[in-house]
Amino acid sequence: AQSVTQPDIHITVSEGASLELRCNYSYGATPYLFWYVQSPGQGLQLLLKYFSGDTLVQGIKGFEAEFKRSQSSFNLRKPSVHWSDAAEYFCAVGGYGGSQGNLIFGKGTKLSVKP
Amino acid sequence: GAVVSQHPSRVICKSGTSVKIECRSLDFQATTMFWYRQFPKQSLMLMATSNEGSKATYEQGVEKDKFLINHASLTLSTLTVTSAHPEDSSFYICSARWRGRGPSSYEQYFGPGTRLTVT
Repeated sequence: AQSVTQPDIHITVSEGASLELRCNYSYGATPYLFWYVQSPGQGLQLLLKYFSGDTLVQGIKGFEAEFKRSQSSFNLRKPSVHWSDAAEYFCAVGGYGGSQGNLIFGKGTKLSVKP
Repeated sequence: GAVVSQHPSRVICKSGTSVKIECRSLDFQATTMFWYRQFPKQSLMLMATSNEGSKATYEQGVEKDKFLINHASLTLSTLTVTSAHPEDSSFYICSARWRGRGPSSYEQYFGPGTRLTVT
C-alpha cells in the first residue's frame, strides 16, 4: 500500500541555520510528490512539487527538494531558515491508481525556529 | 491564481444543531473537491471526495448521513455536519483540484480551514 513517512515529528533549528526535513514514500511507480506548509490555524500552502524531469525542484520561500528514487525520498531543504518558517510541514504523494486525484499525507513535521 | 476560500472560518454551535461549511474555488473550475478533518497536532484525515454533479465518495469510517456533502457546481462544495456533537469539534479543511488530467490534476489547493466547536 502507498504510504508516506516523515520520521521527524518535531525539529528545532536556529535562525539562519540550514534545514532538511525528511520524507520517504512507498509507491510502486514514480509518484507525484508535494510539500505543503501549514501555519497555525491555517490551511495548507503548496511549497513545491515533483512530477518528472529534474530531480531537484525549487519552490517558494527559498525551499527546494530533491527526489531520490533509489532512496524513495523527497527531502525538503532550505539553506538559511527564517523565524517566519516556523510551521508544520507535510509531505504528500499522489499518482496512484484511480481517478480521484487523492493525495496521501505524511503525519507532518513541526518546525520551531530559535532566535 | 488557484485560490480556495472557506466560510465560515470559525463557528460555534450547540449540540444537536447542524452546521454548513462552504468551500469555493475562486478563480478556477474544480473537478473535484476534498474534505479533510484535522485533529490537534495531527495530520489531515481525508473524509470524502466530491465531484461536481455526483455523489461524494466517503472514506471508510466516515458517516455519510452525518457529514453531508454537496458539490453543486464547479466552484462550490458544501459540508453539512448534521446533529453536531462535541466530538465533532475539529478543524475542517477543504481542497480543490483543477479540471483536467495528468500530474497537475493531483495538485490540490487548500482553503484556510474552518474551526468548528460544538458546545
